[in-house]
Amino acid sequence: QKEVEQNSGPLSVPEGAIASLNCTYSDRGSQSFFWYRQYSGKSPELIMFIYSNGDKEDGRFTAQLNKASQYVSLLIRDSQPSDSATYLCAVTGANNLFFGTGTRLTVIP
Amino acid sequence: ETGVTQSPTHLIKTRGQQVTLRCSSQSGHNTVSWYQQALGQGPQFIFQYYREEENGRGNFPPRFSGLQFPNYSSELNVNALELDDSALYLCASSLLVEKEQYFGPGTRLTVT
Repeated sequence: QKEVEQNSGPLSVPEGAIASLNCTYSDRGSQSFFWYRQYSGKSPELIMFIYSNGDKEDGRFTAQLNKASQYVSLLIRDSQPSDSATYLCAVTGANNLFFGTGTRLTVIP
Repeated sequence: ETGVTQSPTHLIKTRGQQVTLRCSSQSGHNTVSWYQQALGQGPQFIFQYYREEENGRGNFPPRFSGLQFPNYSSELNVNALELDDSALYLCASSLLVEKEQYFGPGTRLTVT
């Protein structure tokens, strides 16, 4: 079982819609959770981090964490074509950061 | 811009050679982590340095080694290069071990 699992997509949403990205993890001891956005040929860019159960909002982005279900998600409201990228979920382990393989999101104008 | 820099941007090496990649962390950050990202995959953790000491290591062979300097900049060394080492090598810095990591632009290594 992989430490972090994401649906690889591709996920396509129309401009203005809500994009929902999901991630599950295997280590119940994980304490920190991150979402990164990666454009093709570029390095990952941190867009959200969450440490406690519940929701955390930052602009159009909302991260949701449920430690009991070992589940973390990212909602992107009012999706824009510039949001088209691969979204990586990352979860801390023992002095380690485990990444999923990423979900490719395409926002259709 | 994260303030994390890496050099060189691109590198082409021959199988069996050795390579050194460099990273300067964001100001005030004492933790540096290195990752390997193959095409279509998520970054894979190589190792982490905290205050000049190795603080964790992923599933990579000993020919991958590193250093962190007193100014918290870091090097990744890879000996006896193999074709499968071709990848994007990413450096990330953070204020503390468990806190959010910020990536540099990466070094694209091609082994022929």
